[in-house]
Parts: sequence; structure tokens; C-alpha cells
Amino acid sequence: NAGVTQTPKFRVLKTGQSMTLLCAQDMNHEYMYWYRQDPGMGLRLIHYSVGEGTTAKGEVPDGYNVSRLKKQNFLLGLESAAPSQTSVYFCAIGTGPGPQHFGDGTRLSIL
Amino acid sequence: DQQVKQNSPSLSVQEGRISILNCDYTNSMFDYFLWYKKYPAEGPTFLISISSIKDKNEDGRFTVFLNKSAKHLSLHIVPSQPGDSAVYFCAASGRSGGSNYKLTFGKGTLLTVNP
Repeated sequence: NAGVTQTPKFRVLKTGQSMTLLCAQDMNHEYMYWYRQDPGMGLRLIHYSVGEGTTAKGEVPDGYNVSRLKKQNFLLGLESAAPSQTSVYFCAIGTGPGPQHFGDGTRLSIL
Repeated sequence: DQQVKQNSPSLSVQEGRISILNCDYTNSMFDYFLWYKKYPAEGPTFLISISSIKDKNEDGRFTVFLNKSAKHLSLHIVPSQPGDSAVYFCAASGRSGGSNYKLTFGKGTLLTVNP
């Protein structure tokens, strides 16, 4: 999906390890979001940002931290990974009211 | 509490026929609704949307209908094509608490269009 790049695309972690997922956009959108998708659960909002330097909690924020030091980047961190955080993580961008545009996801497995 | 519900996990239709995907919502503050399509190993792609001031929006083979009194919307695909096979997510947003930039998603419906 043009405009939203997520890295890495795949990662396997051991329980207790930490990692950071990066979302980068080239569309100059103010709003950025992190979702997780689990089987049968749809997309659930983890954290979001309404502008550079701001972050806020979504529906399922526990176990995650985020930062938006630059407008084009939104980082999602797992300080101590747990098997329950095995999921597909999607970053999205938006301009406010209206559609959000998604990256292709990061598939994360925690053993 | 699930605010956006897609009660059919899957739907199978024949190529050329109509596909109807349904979505119900409970939050009366929702006033903007969207449909996304998702292929495996890709991110969701925006398909079509509708504002609560309308009851129908059409874009080519895709039409979304909104019934506000019933808190129900549906996506019609006519005619259905094998390339339409994907998971379809319904999403909603509203002006409650200034949250018109946040989307609430349903769990999705897997559409399979058989040749």
C-alpha cells in the first residue's frame, strides 16, 4: 500500500524480548494509528497519534508503548513480549474524519 | 461491548450474482461508515463510505445502503467477480467526544465468489 511502510514484515521473538515496529508515511498525514488483527477479532486500535509529539491510548494499549518524535514516523514498542501479543500489526494514516490508509502489516510471533 | 457487528463470518456466492454483506451498529453517535476489503498478507484497502445524511452511496459495482433507524448498513456487490473474494470489514466513526478520527471495526466477513 503506497504511502505507508511498515518494518519489519515478519519477526519471531522469544517471551520477554523487546522490539520496536516502525511505521513510516510519505503522505504528510497528521493522524497515525496502530492496530492489531487477531483471528475472529477484527481490527483493534492499540495507540494512535493526532500529530507530531502526541500519542493516546486506544482500545487495547496494555503491553505496548508508542512514540511519534517525527511527523512521518510512528513507532510501536513491546518492552517485554508475551505470547498473547502474537498477532498481525497494522499501521494506518489519516487526515481526520474519513478513510484511513493502511500498511501491509507486520506478522509477529512470540514463542 | 461490540459496537460494530458483522454477524456472518463467511458468505459464498456464484460469479455474476449479487453479494450482500451486512453490518449492524449499536452506538447512535456513529455518523460515518466505511467498508474495507482485505486480501491475505495485505493491509485493508478502503472501498466505499457513506455519511449518515445519506441512505445510499454507489461506486461502480459497489453500493452501500444505510438504514439509520435500524442501525444497519449493507454492502452490495453486483455482479460479483472471483477477484472480489476477500475479507470485508465494516467500520464506523462518530463525533462523540471529538473522536471522528477514530474507527471502530467489525470482525469481518469472508466473501468467496465461486467461478
